[in-house]
Amino acid sequence: GQQVMQIPQYQHVQEGEDFTTYCNSSTTLSNIQWYKQRPGGHPVFLIQLVKSGEVKKQKRLTFQFGEAKKNSSLHITATQTTDVGTYFCAGPEGGSQGNLIFGKGTKLSVKP
Amino acid sequence: DGGITQSPKYLFRKEGQNVTLSCEQNLNHDAMYWYRQDPGQGLRLIYYSQIVNDFQKGDIAEGYSVSREKKESFPLTVTSAQKNPTAFYLCASSIGQTSGANVLTFGAGSRLTVL
Repeated sequence: GQQVMQIPQYQHVQEGEDFTTYCNSSTTLSNIQWYKQRPGGHPVFLIQLVKSGEVKKQKRLTFQFGEAKKNSSLHITATQTTDVGTYFCAGPEGGSQGNLIFGKGTKLSVKP
Repeated sequence: DGGITQSPKYLFRKEGQNVTLSCEQNLNHDAMYWYRQDPGQGLRLIYYSQIVNDFQKGDIAEGYSVSREKKESFPLTVTSAQKNPTAFYLCASSIGQTSGANVLTFGAGSRLTVL
């Protein structure tokens, strides 16, 4: 079946270092979404990308959607302790119309 | 403030008992979902409902049941048939009926522990 894979599973960084998580789908996607879950919390929507090659920025966070619309990345510049949490990507089942399929997430820890 | 309320936040259950998790939303969203989260496993869809009085099984529906009698409410019952029910359960909703473009709003979750 359709899979959404994320790497790495865990990432430990020193505060101020950059961080990148990668998301790959086995199916071409109409859109991809990113969520953040703080420790002990619930997933919160960050952004949705819909166009091939799209790049969006939110302060220190940069999101990219691949040209083939099968992969995406989230890059955080100069991490802060507030960035700690698990970042999930999600894409629609069947590529466009189905329920979201979530990757297993990348858990980020930041050492002050 | 609009949002999704899940209760209880923590729940302990003995083996063989059914338990019902509550999910209420005041966002006027049509679609509601139940996910299960286990460590390192991401989010797995249990059931979803696009409209009142209608719901469909997700990827891991066995041992669970739901109802959607009101637009605002989507309770999940974890039955004794669920082999490994200890997990973190998340309820979510989205505007409009289910589609791949829908953005999910999540509740704070219910953590179920079977003793």
